[in-house]
Amino acid sequence: GNSVTQMEGPVTLSEEAFLTINCTYTATGYPSLFWYVQYPGEGLQLLLKATKADDKGSNKGFEATYRKETTSFHLEKGSVQVSDSAVYFCALSEPGGATNKLIFGTGTLLAVQP
Amino acid sequence: DGGITQSPKYLFRKEGQNVTLSCEQNLNHDAMYWYRQDPGQGLRLIYYSQIVNDFQKGDIAEGYSVSREKKESFPLTVTSAQKNPTAFYLCASSAGVLNSPLHFGNGTRLTVT
Repeated sequence: GNSVTQMEGPVTLSEEAFLTINCTYTATGYPSLFWYVQYPGEGLQLLLKATKADDKGSNKGFEATYRKETTSFHLEKGSVQVSDSAVYFCALSEPGGATNKLIFGTGTLLAVQP
Repeated sequence: DGGITQSPKYLFRKEGQNVTLSCEQNLNHDAMYWYRQDPGQGLRLIYYSQIVNDFQKGDIAEGYSVSREKKESFPLTVTSAQKNPTAFYLCASSAGVLNSPLHFGNGTRLTVT
């Protein structure tokens, strides 16, 4: 079946460090891919998305490129801030589906230290 | 401002009692969803509804029930048949158009003792 695999956390970085959170997926067909962010005690917010191969999603300095050949959608940011500390979820929408049901990865906790 | 309201934020119940979690949205979205979040397991889909008076089971529907009598509301009942109900529950909605993003509420943390 369809699934998402994320690197396990926690990821601990110093402020202004480079961030990569790995995400790979398994799907039949061509899903859309998403990154969501969850701040403590809150629900999830959409961070960025890509709907077809080679698309790059970007928002708030974060980027991710849909790589069909490696079935990956890694999240990157050039210089993290303390305010980026949160849990990051990679997700896919089931290809060919008529709904927006998402399959989520297990989440990666990012802790940025000043 | 438009959004999704989940209430209460924290809920405590004794084992064997049914409990209903509220979810209301004023985004005029057609589709609504309930997810359960457990540490280390990400989010798992309980139920979803694409239109009023219709809903489908997700991956872990056993022990839960829902209703969709109004477009704005999608309450979730956790029944006594749910073996491990203590969790963080998230409600979401979307416009229903393929690939439109999900908007999430701030969640309800349910503790059953």
